[in-house]
Parts: sequence; C-alpha cells; structure tokens
Amino acid sequence: ETGVTQSPTHLIKTRGQQVTLRCSSQSGHNTVSWYQQALGQGPQFIFQYYREEENGRGNFPPRFSGLQFPNYSSELNVNALELDDSALYLCASSSYKEGGGYTFGSGTRLTVV
Amino acid sequence: AQSVTQLDSQVPVFEEAPVELRCNYSSSVSVYLFWYVQYPNQGLQLLLKYLSGSTLVKGINGFEAEFNKSQTSFHLRKPSVHISDTAEYFCAVSVNDYKLSFGAGTTVTVRA
Repeated sequence: ETGVTQSPTHLIKTRGQQVTLRCSSQSGHNTVSWYQQALGQGPQFIFQYYREEENGRGNFPPRFSGLQFPNYSSELNVNALELDDSALYLCASSSYKEGGGYTFGSGTRLTVV
Repeated sequence: AQSVTQLDSQVPVFEEAPVELRCNYSSSVSVYLFWYVQYPNQGLQLLLKYLSGSTLVKGINGFEAEFNKSQTSFHLRKPSVHISDTAEYFCAVSVNDYKLSFGAGTTVTVRA
C-alpha cells in the first residue's frame, strides 16, 4: 500500500510568481485535502476535493486553486505569490469507506522571497 | 464551527516519565477526534482517533487518549516516554469526516 506522496519537497519562488504543488493520494482514497502550515502553527484547511470536484473551502483567497484528476491525484496552484504564502503545504487523502482520519504526505516547503 | 485548544504549548519531560497533553474542543455537534504527531521536517502521522464507542482509545507507540464528552476534552497520555517521542503533537477535530480543525500544537521535549 503506497502512502501519500508530494512533490517537490522544497521550492523557492519570488513574490508575484505562480506555483504548482502536486500530490498522489494513497491507493484507494478518493478524497484529497490541502492544508497550509505556517511556521510554529497548526495546519489550516485550504480546500477539499471529492471525485474531482471542490467539496469545501477554508478561508483562503481565490488565488489558491486546485484540481483533482481521475486517478485521484491532485494539484494545488497559488497565483501572485505573497511573502506570507511561505509555509509547509500538506496534502492528505482519505476514503469515506474507511471512516475517519486522513493520511498525510510529507509536505512541500514553499519559501517566497 | 469547531475549534480546538491545546492547553500546553511546550511540555518538557524526562525520559521514562509519564506525559499528558491536554486538548479541549468546542462543537455544537458530534465530532471525530484525532491526535497527530509531527517530527522535524516531516508531515503528520496519525497516533490515534476517536470516532465512537469506547472512550479510551489506544494508538501507536504506546499512546492512548480518553474522550470526555461532558468536559469536551481528548487528552493524550503515555506512561513512559522515550527520547524518540520528542516531536510536535497536534489535536484535531472533524465533523462527519470533513475538514480537520487543528490546535496550535504542543512541543514535547524528552530529556535524558
């Protein structure tokens, strides 16, 4: 059973640029969520996808967008990067069949300079 | 909306001593409760979860937690810690397996 894999592991971008982060869900999981974890804080919910449709969104602006593909992998896109977007971005997958709990990836560390 | 308060931001503890990490939550509906551990420069690993049933939940690495509905608490305990338990611990809550709402985290530092 494969876990959740994220790429890249680290990324440095310049303010105003755009970035795409990728996530491969755990086998059998059809729901994927993205979280932002700023330094020294708990993760904050960005959005969730279920069967390729956005299924809920946290308090993040529209420049944060996402996609889920038929194989349940996912992308997080952030446009017009700001310095405050520097954080660890975590992808988590789950299956309603399993009931409760998400499997997290190791994250992508994004630094905006 | 749900929220989580982790009452201790830092917990220093000696090796082989017991540890308790406190977590209170707020919700107007029934919730699922979780504890996750995060080692430096890594993602989150699930320690244990409460969905329903027995209020005492046993997890991995010798951790356990007790759900107390009347006090809206879900405290995490381990009877004897090891150096390798040094990490950040997060309590989280969700409704109907939807998004997780996390606490701010508790840093556990185990000293020899």
